[in-house]
Amino acid sequence: KAGVTQTPRYLIKTRGQQVTLSCSPISGHRSVSWYQQTPGQGLQFLFEYFSETQRNKGNFPGRFSGRQFSNSRSEMNVSTLELGDSALYLCASHADVYNEQFFGPGTRLTVL
Amino acid sequence: GQQLNQSPQSMFIQEGEDVSMNCTSSSIFNTWLWYKQDPGEGPVLLIALYKAGELTSNGRLTAQFGITRKDSFLNISASIPSDVGIYFCAGRGEYGNKLVFGAGTILRVKS
Repeated sequence: KAGVTQTPRYLIKTRGQQVTLSCSPISGHRSVSWYQQTPGQGLQFLFEYFSETQRNKGNFPGRFSGRQFSNSRSEMNVSTLELGDSALYLCASHADVYNEQFFGPGTRLTVL
Repeated sequence: GQQLNQSPQSMFIQEGEDVSMNCTSSSIFNTWLWYKQDPGEGPVLLIALYKAGELTSNGRLTAQFGITRKDSFLNISASIPSDVGIYFCAGRGEYGNKLVFGAGTILRVKS
């Protein structure tokens, strides 16, 4: 069974730009969660999707948004990038809301 | 909100030694998960626990779900160099379905 894939793996952007990250979950999984990981803040929950609906949202500004498609693939978007948005963005795939979460390799975003 | 306290923050041990780390919460959790993360990669699930008192092993790793449902520990026996990495606990509370993560334990092994 293929694991969670995230694209791109690395991204460099400048302040003010926007970025879209993609996540393909494990086949058959209907839930996707997104996390931001930084050395100072650790793993911070962004949002969770199940069957194209956002089920939970973390405490991030509205510049962070996401969506899930009918094939369970998910994207997250960050608009008006700030230097502090530099982080590893992780996507986790789970069969359902209460199941174990399996992480992808992450997208390393650097904002200059 | 729910918070997890994970300790120790870091460990530097001799190859062959046993390792123990734990997580505690001020509120009751229904699920405990333990992950390991290598540099530049996503966390990999090691062990999942769903019942108070549950003790589960995965090779040299053993984890337990505390009886009070407010804590969990992870033991690694006979450590080897490839055990190096960051270990995270994660928990899910009674009334929520969001996972909460500990800050991580950095493990370094001297060979």
